[in-house]
Amino acid sequence: EDQVTQSPEALRLQEGESSSLNCSYTVSGLRGLFWYRQDPGKGPEFLFTLYSAGEEKEKERLKATLTKKESFLHITAPKPEDSATYLCAVQARGGSTLGRLYFGRGTQLTVWP
Amino acid sequence: DARVTQTPRDKVTEMGQEVTMRCQPILGHNTVFWYRQTMMQGLELLAYFRNRAPLDDSGMPKDRFSAEMPDATLATLKIQPSEPRDSAVYFCASGSESNNYGYTFGSGTRLTVV
Repeated sequence: EDQVTQSPEALRLQEGESSSLNCSYTVSGLRGLFWYRQDPGKGPEFLFTLYSAGEEKEKERLKATLTKKESFLHITAPKPEDSATYLCAVQARGGSTLGRLYFGRGTQLTVWP
Repeated sequence: DARVTQTPRDKVTEMGQEVTMRCQPILGHNTVFWYRQTMMQGLELLAYFRNRAPLDDSGMPKDRFSAEMPDATLATLKIQPSEPRDSAVYFCASGSESNNYGYTFGSGTRLTVV
C-alpha cells in the first residue's frame, strides 16, 4: 500500500533558525513527489514537484530534495511568514492510480520573531 | 491568477439534510479531485474525474455520497443524508498534464452537520 509519512508533526523555529522537514514514502513506482503549503482556512498551495532521485528545486527560502525513499524540505533563515503546514504527496505510476495524490499528515511549522 | 472556485464557503446543516457542494475547475484542466480534510485523517481522496469521466470513487461512502461532472466547468459533491461524522473541510482540486499535474486547490467548503 502506498504510504507517506511526514516528520516532525510540529516544528517551532526562531526567525533565522534553519531546519529541515522530512517526507518518507512507500509507493509502487514513483511518478512524482509534491510539496504543498497550507495556511489556516485555505486550500493547499502548490510549491514543487520532484521526479527523480537527486533532483532539487528551490523557491525563495525553501529547497526540496529527493532520494529513493524520502524527500526533505529545507528552510533557510525562515521568517514568521513561512509559518504554515507543509504537506507532502506522492503520485504513483500507471494503472488506475495515475494522477491521484497520496498525502502525508503534514508538518505544522511555526516561526517566531 | 487562475483559481478553483468552490461554493459555498461554509455550510451548517442538520443531520439528515442533503448537502451539495460545487466546484468550478480552472479552464482547460481535465482532471478534478474531491478531497476531505479532518484533523484525525488529514487529506483523504473521495473521488476524481478525468475528462469528466469518473476514474476512482473508492474513497467515497457510496450509500450517501455522489460526485458528478455535468460539464467541464462544474463538479458537484452531494451528501444525502448528511451525518455529523461528515463534518470536515471538502476541497476540490484541478490539474492537467500540461502543468505536470501540479494540482490547484480551491479554498474549500467547511461543512458542519449538527
